Amino acid sequence: GAGVSQSPRYKVAKRGQDVALRCDPISGHVSLFWYQQALGQGPEFLTYFQNEAQLDKSGLPSDRFFAERPEGSVSTLKIQRTQQEDSAVYLCASSLYERRQETQYFGPGTRLLVL
Amino acid sequence: GENVEQHPSTLSVQEGDSAVIKCTYSDSASNYFPWYKQELGKGPQLIIDIRSNVGEKKDQRIAVTLNKTAKHFSLHITETQPEDSAVYFCAATFGRAGSYQLTFGKGTKLSVIP
Repeated sequence: GAGVSQSPRYKVAKRGQDVALRCDPISGHVSLFWYQQALGQGPEFLTYFQNEAQLDKSGLPSDRFFAERPEGSVSTLKIQRTQQEDSAVYLCASSLYERRQETQYFGPGTRLLVL
Repeated sequence: GENVEQHPSTLSVQEGDSAVIKCTYSDSASNYFPWYKQELGKGPQLIIDIRSNVGEKKDQRIAVTLNKTAKHFSLHITETQPEDSAVYFCAATFGRAGSYQLTFGKGTKLSVIP
């Protein structure tokens, strides 16, 4: 079946603009994760959803970052008043169940550049 | 806090040789250790994973070993090919209740020279 998809693939924003990044997980996957990957670094956790419930948002760097998954499938990561330090690749991953040893499948990412 | 250290950061090997990447982790409650391959402009792709009830797992040219006592795990790629060139990340899930996210190492850029 189809994998995790993300849109847009690339986004250029002027400092201070709001952006919205979309993630379509694999159909039927209960768990959804957002990660941020800076250039030359490994992905870093932002937030986790189990169905529509946001159970962990400990990785969100500031209150300018907001994520939702209202119907337990598609998720949106919103960044308000973007700053240059927000420039990164934003990765979405999903897994079938909510178990710690569950495989996470990643999407291609959205590359955000804030000018 | 939780931490995963990965070495080396870059690795060059001749085609046909073996490549080894090593990772250490900080939380003894960790029980799941995946390895991802990331090519330029793409998302990480799972290549192999190991769970804490086994010490070694192999899939064709790729193998992973786990030493829970020493808190380290390693990726072994044999008979390397140019298409193995990519950035490889190790990761671990940690023991905090309700915590399912992966903590990643900083990556190893593998170059296979034809």
